[in-house]
Amino acid sequence: GENVEQHPSTLSVQEGDSAVIKCTYSDSASNYFPWYKQELGKRPQLIIDIRSNVGEKKDQRIAVTLNKTAKHFSLHITETQPEDSAVYFCAASIRGSGGGADGLTFGKGTHLIIQP
Amino acid sequence: NAGVTQTPKFRILKIGQSMTLQCAQDMNHNYMYWYRQDPGMGLKLIYYSVGAGITDKGEVPNGYNVSRSTTEDFPLRLELAAPSQTSVYFCASSYTGRAGNTIYFGEGSWLTVV
Repeated sequence: GENVEQHPSTLSVQEGDSAVIKCTYSDSASNYFPWYKQELGKRPQLIIDIRSNVGEKKDQRIAVTLNKTAKHFSLHITETQPEDSAVYFCAASIRGSGGGADGLTFGKGTHLIIQP
Repeated sequence: NAGVTQTPKFRILKIGQSMTLQCAQDMNHNYMYWYRQDPGMGLKLIYYSVGAGITDKGEVPNGYNVSRSTTEDFPLRLELAAPSQTSVYFCASSYTGRAGNTIYFGEGSWLTVV
């Protein structure tokens, strides 16, 4: 099955600086890569996603890049703010294959700390 | 829409007890999932369902059972609770299994087995 590795496990940055979280996946058939943000005691919420036919996607201060050859994808947050402090999870999925849904394989998460 | 609703939010079980975590969604989603999240870890898929009457095992199904008698409901059953099942459980749903279909999570159920 799919295996997703996520680094770093903890990332501390100064407010206003950029943060980058990286993930690798093992199954070259994976074609969907979402990122979730989870605040303490809350549910994971989708913040951005990318499909395998796209190399980069941006949404305001958040961007995701995908390198299919190297099987890795990254989350970039620019101009970080205190409210960006949370745990971020990457995930990979083989979806739309015509078979059943097998959900997502998640990375172990990155605790992002924004220092004032 | 209430989205994905889970109950109970918190529960303490004794070893060997049984319980059911309830999950309901009102978005007419076909796909539903149960994940567990252990401290400092990502979410792991327990079971999923692609529609009423159809269920399948995920990555960590042992010790759990599910049923999907209706589109809306997807309960998770723990038959003989063990300390290893202490975790946060998230139910989720999506319209289809196609790439790009957002998965919506419930608020989670915190379960402690003592």
